[in-house]
Amino acid sequence: QITLKESGPTLVKPTQTLTLTCTFSGFSLRTSGVGVGWIRQPPGKALEWLAVIYWDDDKRYSPSLKSRLTITKDTSKNQVVLTMTNMDPVDTATYFCAQRLFVSGSGWFDPWGQGTLVTVSS
Amino acid sequence: SELTQDPAVSVALGQTVRITCQGDSLRNYYASWYQQKPGQAPILVIYGKNNRPSGIPDRFSGSSSGNTASLTITGAQAEDEADYYCNSRDRSGNLPFGGGTKLTVL
Repeated sequence: QITLKESGPTLVKPTQTLTLTCTFSGFSLRTSGVGVGWIRQPPGKALEWLAVIYWDDDKRYSPSLKSRLTITKDTSKNQVVLTMTNMDPVDTATYFCAQRLFVSGSGWFDPWGQGTLVTVSS
Repeated sequence: SELTQDPAVSVALGQTVRITCQGDSLRNYYASWYQQKPGQAPILVIYGKNNRPSGIPDRFSGSSSGNTASLTITGAQAEDEADYYCNSRDRSGNLPFGGGTKLTVL
């Protein structure tokens, strides 16, 4: 059974840096075709992809947020960490991590973690 | 690369509904589709050409033509009322989501 769980602060102040950890089990980030992605969802709004990291350490970032994001992996701990700098109230959202699979030219996110709500406020 | 979805669609109970997703990247890459109910994390319902994960009812199907990907629910049930999102990749490896479609089952 594959599970993912997000952890990190529930409240951050404007201009601070957010660090979120995705801890997973049931798969390895050493396996070809496997990645972990981060997606967020402001209250009442749509999903927004943020970043993904793959088994070979290839990384991709949302073009609109690239300057503020860093994604890293620790395969020995089965963790993926996302940092987002210069937080603003508009960054208030539920942050999800999900396994990314890439097979025969197709990719998908499955499964997802439960999500963690991060509020940005002074 | 952007993906465009209709904000809202409705369907009568037991009828068929198609939810569409448009974007240039869909000419080259398949979309995946996600169902999200209030207060829950999204779940994958369709991936690849037309594949359903284990546990997803066969009334869900996917298709693609040109720059449009479609999710079809044949015989919609009350429990299918949810938000549906498409996702794909572009040539740079970015993974944008569509804006979501709210499905109402009447």
